Amino acid sequence: AQTVTQSQPEMSVQEAETVTLSCTYDTSESDYYLFWYKQPPSRQMILVIRQEAYKQQNATENRFSVNFQKAAKSFSLKISDSQLGDAAMYFCAYRADNTDKLIFGTGTRLQVFP
Amino acid sequence: DSGVTQTPKHLITATGQRVTLRCSPRSGDLSVYWYQQSLDQGLQFLIQYYNGEERAKGNILERFSAQQFPDLHSELNLSSLELGDSALYFCASSVAWRLANGNTDTQYFGPGTRLTVL
Repeated sequence: AQTVTQSQPEMSVQEAETVTLSCTYDTSESDYYLFWYKQPPSRQMILVIRQEAYKQQNATENRFSVNFQKAAKSFSLKISDSQLGDAAMYFCAYRADNTDKLIFGTGTRLQVFP
Repeated sequence: DSGVTQTPKHLITATGQRVTLRCSPRSGDLSVYWYQQSLDQGLQFLIQYYNGEERAKGNILERFSAQQFPDLHSELNLSSLELGDSALYFCASSVAWRLANGNTDTQYFGPGTRLTVL
């Protein structure tokens, strides 16, 4: 069975600094997709970034980028120039190519200090 | 705002009762997904519908059922409620269950319905 592990329950960062959130996953599939979702205090789930496993190039979305290491089954999220509005729960999610079901990790709570 | 709407925002009910949660997908989206977020189980996939038909099932209890109507809105019915059913229930939608070119389709989440069972 596929699993997603986020080993950092909480992280903190100073405003304007950079922080990296870790995610590892376990799968025997070769084709799959990985996502980072942000859940602010409003509880809305917001897609931050996505990565197709067949693409070697790491995805980037403005201040958010990923470090995708397929062999190591690692998918970390880097937030540059952190802002107070980045404070939220961040969930890593996996989707196999043959299904639409998202499997989520347990989340990392990110605090941003001024 | 993702374009996915869910009603009600909050629901408080008693054990043994039955409730219905409603979801309207983004305009043009044919696929609807239901997820449960609870403190002990985290975020779990419950069920998926595509254009009115059940497409995939996850860890959904037999006391729970869902359907998608011709206008594509979906309802999640929870019956014989227990204290442990208290959770945030999310609906998500996407254009299709699989894009024609094989690429994944992004799921956009609604704001959720917070269910409290007393």
